[in-house]
Amino acid sequence: NAGVTQTPKFRVLKTGQSMTLLCAQDMNHEYMYWYRQDPGMGLRLIHYSVGEGTTAKGEVPDGYNVSRLKKQNFLLGLESAAPSQTSVYFCASSLRQRPNSPLHFGNGTRLTVT
Amino acid sequence: GENVEQHPSTLSVQEGDSAVIKCTYSDSASNYFPWYKQELGKRPQLIIDIRSNVGEKKDQRIAVTLNKTAKHFSLHITETQPEDSAVYFCAASTDFRNTGNQFYFGTGTSLTVIP
Repeated sequence: NAGVTQTPKFRVLKTGQSMTLLCAQDMNHEYMYWYRQDPGMGLRLIHYSVGEGTTAKGEVPDGYNVSRLKKQNFLLGLESAAPSQTSVYFCASSLRQRPNSPLHFGNGTRLTVT
Repeated sequence: GENVEQHPSTLSVQEGDSAVIKCTYSDSASNYFPWYKQELGKRPQLIIDIRSNVGEKKDQRIAVTLNKTAKHFSLHITETQPEDSAVYFCAASTDFRNTGNQFYFGTGTSLTVIP
């Protein structure tokens, strides 16, 4: 049981380049999330998904797109990277249950845009 | 949307002393409050959580209290040890049946335990 796995772990992009971050979970969780973490700003929600084929915007969605074609995978795309997107990106997942269940995080992807 | 404020941003304590981190939230619909610990370069990991129908929860040296009326909750760490040094995040979550559980995080507290 690997939990939540993110790839890649590190990436350096030039302004204008594109890339996709992959998140995979093997816990059969319905909900999946993408957060970015910046110094002094905590974790901010980019996009999330409540199930296969569904996505929704979070607090800071601009410049990002997501897809959830399979329940276990949640992809985050940057179409045209900007220096402001330099950050650490965390994927997380949780069960759909009552009451709420906690988030389980991946190990993060450190992205630098030059 | 929900707004979670966390204080202090940094905290230094002597080994063996207690540490208290406080958070406030704005949305009275929030009903689940987890705390995460993040060591340098690692993922956030859940250390304790509390639901809105409970006022206090304890797990060994860690306790969390919740005051729904005042909309604040606190993390208490007793008998601190150097390995408690990390960044701690509070979060508030509202359970929406059709739109998922949205989590809103505080900005973090960097705790240093001085040996």
